[in-house]
Amino acid sequence: AQTVTQSQPEMSVQEAETVTLSCTYDTSESDYYLFWYKQPPSRQMILVIRQEAYKQQNATENRFSVNFQKAAKSFSLKISDSQLGDAAMYFCAYRSAGDSSYKLIFGSGTRLLVRP
Amino acid sequence: NAGVTQTPKFQVLKTGQSMTLQCAQDMNHEYMSWYRQDPGMGLRLIHYSVGAGITDQGEVPNGYNVSRSTTEDFPLRLLSAAPSQTSVYFCASSYSASGSQETQYFGPGTRLLVL
Repeated sequence: AQTVTQSQPEMSVQEAETVTLSCTYDTSESDYYLFWYKQPPSRQMILVIRQEAYKQQNATENRFSVNFQKAAKSFSLKISDSQLGDAAMYFCAYRSAGDSSYKLIFGSGTRLLVRP
Repeated sequence: NAGVTQTPKFQVLKTGQSMTLQCAQDMNHEYMSWYRQDPGMGLRLIHYSVGAGITDQGEVPNGYNVSRSTTEDFPLRLLSAAPSQTSVYFCASSYSASGSQETQYFGPGTRLLVL
């Protein structure tokens, strides 16, 4: 069974600085998708960025980028120029391309604090 | 588009009571699902549906029922609430389950407290 591990329960960053959140996953599959979701205090789950495993190029969305290392099964999220609004829980998630339930498997989350 | 909507936002139940959590989407999405989120954990899949009339169990289905009579609605029923079902429930949907449109969009969540 696939698992997703986020080893950092909490991270802190100074406003305008850069922070990297770690995520590792375990799978025997070669075709899958990876996601980072943000959950602010409102509890709404918001998609931040996604990566298809067959694409070697790392995904980028404005200030958010990923470092996808397929062989190492690592999928870290880099937030540049951190803003107060980035403070939230961040969840890494995995989805198998071949799973008929299309289930997202989530890590336990990393709480990001942004210091003004 | 309203996106994915859920009602109620918060509910308190007594053990043994039943209730239905509502989920609706106006994006003509084929796929809909229910997750629960417990403290210190990520979300876990309860039930899912790949289209009207088609539902199936996810990772933690016990104690819950679902149906999908229309594309838009996907209610989650708690048959006899138990304290272990105290959680935050999220509904999610996506246009399809594969390809470039596989992103799942989540509703705002329903917080359920079972006493």
